[in-house]
Amino acid sequence: GNSVTQMEGPVTLSEEAFLTINCTYTATGYPSLFWYVQYPGEGLQLLLKATKADDKGSNKGFEATYRKETTSFHLEKGSVQVSDSAVYFCAKKGGVRSGNTPLVFGKGTRLSVIA
Amino acid sequence: EAQVTQNPRYLITVTGKKLTVTCSQNMNHEYMSWYRQDPGLGLRQIYYSMNVEVTDKGDVPEGYKVSRKEKRNFPLILESPSPNQTSLYFCASSGGTNEKLFFGSGTQLSVL
Repeated sequence: GNSVTQMEGPVTLSEEAFLTINCTYTATGYPSLFWYVQYPGEGLQLLLKATKADDKGSNKGFEATYRKETTSFHLEKGSVQVSDSAVYFCAKKGGVRSGNTPLVFGKGTRLSVIA
Repeated sequence: EAQVTQNPRYLITVTGKKLTVTCSQNMNHEYMSWYRQDPGLGLRQIYYSMNVEVTDKGDVPEGYKVSRKEKRNFPLILESPSPNQTSLYFCASSGGTNEKLFFGSGTQLSVL
C-alpha cells in the first residue's frame, strides 16, 4: 500500500487546549514524513518533517515523532492558539519499492480554535 | 522573494471553453506539480514534472494537459472543461533532493 490516513475533522478546541491529530501511513520501506498546514485562503506550507525512525520534527510549538513500529506520525501541540486555526495535512514521500515517488497526502484535518 | 505564482486566482467559465491556468516559480526548481483540492477528498495530484520536457500523470489526470517547455513554467490546460472540474487548484514546486514543496496561493475554478 501507499497511503496516508489522518483523523477526520473538524476539530474544535478552546485556546490553550492540547492538540493531537492522528496520522498513520502504509509503506513497504521507510518514507520521509511531513506535516503541512494550510491557513485560510492560502496554499500549503511545510510545518515540520522527519526523515527516519524515532526522529522528532518540531516547529512553532508543534511536534511529531516518526514511529516505525506503529507506522504513525501524530501531530501534537501543548497549547493551541486562535492563530493555529487551519487545515493540517499529513504526507509521506518514498518508502515504496518502485523508486522515486511524489508526495502522498492525507485528506486533511480542519482545526478551529476558539478564544 | 522565493515564490510560486499562479494565475488567475479566481476563474468562472462555461462547459467546453478551453482555459489555461499558469504557474511560474522563481527558485530554479526541477520538480513541479499540480493538485486539486476538493472537500472530503484532500489533495489529489493531477500531473507532475521532474524536469523540462518530462511530465507524468498523477492520480487524476483525465481531462487535463500540462507542458514543461521551460524550467520555471508549468501551465495546466483544460481543453474542454466540465462541471466536475470545479475545484481549488494548486501548483507546487521543489528543488532537487529538497523534499519541501512550495505551493502557490491557489486558483478557484468554477465550471458552469
